[in-house]
Amino acid sequence: DTEVTQTPKHLVMGMTNKKSLKCEQHMGHRAMYWYKQKAKKPPELMFVYSYEKLSINESVPSRFSPECPNSSLLNLHLHALQPEDSALYLCASTIGQGTDTQYFGPGTRLTVL
Amino acid sequence: KQEVTQIPAALSVPEGENLVLNCSFTDSAIYNLQWFRQDPGKGLTSLLLIQSSQREQTSGRLNASLDKSSGRSTLYIAASQPGDSATYLCAVSWNSGGYQKVTFGTGTKLQVIP
Repeated sequence: DTEVTQTPKHLVMGMTNKKSLKCEQHMGHRAMYWYKQKAKKPPELMFVYSYEKLSINESVPSRFSPECPNSSLLNLHLHALQPEDSALYLCASTIGQGTDTQYFGPGTRLTVL
Repeated sequence: KQEVTQIPAALSVPEGENLVLNCSFTDSAIYNLQWFRQDPGKGLTSLLLIQSSQREQTSGRLNASLDKSSGRSTLYIAASQPGDSATYLCAVSWNSGGYQKVTFGTGTKLQVIP
């Protein structure tokens, strides 16, 4: 099973809402990533978890809060977002951090009104 | 800081042609380079991964090469098909202050015309 799943597929939220994105993999991978992709742009790295510990935070605003409850699950909690945060949010995983094939999920299309 | 550039930004070819996509990066201290395809509004599909110690990788009609010293990689697609139409992205895994980061290239949008 080389699948990374993400839920929900689409999310529309207001600027005062609190929502969460979920990412799951059952490949035994120990590194998981969140990326943000704006239209017609490449993905930009947001966070990296390695062995369930946050190892990289690319100066992401605090309205994005990642969480890794266990080695298979990665969440991204959203609060007080801005319309410019509307994007495709992609999750990926690798066996270890950085040296292996990245497997991507299908993404969550987020729209902030 | 690692910067990754892809040329051309867009490419349109007739079906059956062989084609080459280019990826260049500024810092040669990389761990690996990965090529992906992305269909509109979708996630990324991994095509090939080249470790820093390797020169090339092949999968079916795809061949990717890596010249780390010059900061270049190419993706060769043989006998292109309409189903190859997508955006192709290269991504470089590299060391930044002891941490491994990933930077994506700007992408090449490929259209294969039947």
